[in-house]
Amino acid sequence: DSGVTQTPKHLITATGQRVTLRCSPRSGDLSVYWYQQSLDQGLQFLIQYYNGEERAKGNILERFSAQQFPDLHSELNLSSLELGDSALYFCASSPRTSGGNTDTQYFGPGTRLTVL
Amino acid sequence: QKEVEQDPGPLSVPEGAIVSLNCTYSNSAFQYFMWYRQYSRKGPELLMYTYSSGNKEDGRFTAQVDKSSKYISLFIRDSQPSDSATYLCAMSVGAQKLVFGQGTRLTINP
Repeated sequence: DSGVTQTPKHLITATGQRVTLRCSPRSGDLSVYWYQQSLDQGLQFLIQYYNGEERAKGNILERFSAQQFPDLHSELNLSSLELGDSALYFCASSPRTSGGNTDTQYFGPGTRLTVL
Repeated sequence: QKEVEQDPGPLSVPEGAIVSLNCTYSNSAFQYFMWYRQYSRKGPELLMYTYSSGNKEDGRFTAQVDKSSKYISLFIRDSQPSDSATYLCAMSVGAQKLVFGQGTRLTINP
C-alpha cells in the first residue's frame, strides 16, 4: 500500500458525459501528479500540482482539468468524454518539488474509466 | 521516436533464472532513473531509484545506469513466480514529470 488513495476504482459512463476522479496523496506529500495509462500509449504524464498550484502540464487535453485543494487532495475532471478516453488514470504523490533534486513518486491504485 | 524505448516482451523465464530488463533513452538531460513494478490492474510500485550513472543493489534487484550509452538495466536474481509482473522504466529531469517506457511483461514459470 503506497498510501495514495484514489476513488472511484471503476467508472463506466457514456460519451459526452463528465466525470471527476479523486486522489488523496500520502500524508505530508505536497505534490500530486496525474497520469493516463492506455494500451497503445503507455503511462503518460498529464499534470502536476504542488501545494495547490499548477506546476507542470503534459499532453493534457483541453477537455480535461484538475485542481488541488487546501487539504492537498486533488481532482481530475474529464468532460465531453470520448471512447478514446477509456484508460487507467493514476495519481502519484511526492513530498516536494525542488529546483534540483527529484522526489520519488508513489502511485495510487488507479481509476479505470470506461466510456461506452 | 519515443524518448524512452523499452522492449514490451513478453518475456518468460524459469524460476531461479537471472532476468535482465533494459531501456534506452534519447534525452541526455535525464538524471533520475527508476524502475517500477506493476501487477495486473494495480498501480505502479517503486522498486529502484538511481541518480546519474552507476549501480544500485537492493536484495535480489540490481539497477544499472550507463549515461554515456543512454542505457539502463534492471537485473533480478533468483527470480520467483511472484516477480511475474510488468516492469516499467521511468526517468526524469530534476523534479519533473516521469517519462515511462512501454513496460516489459515478465512471467516467471515455476
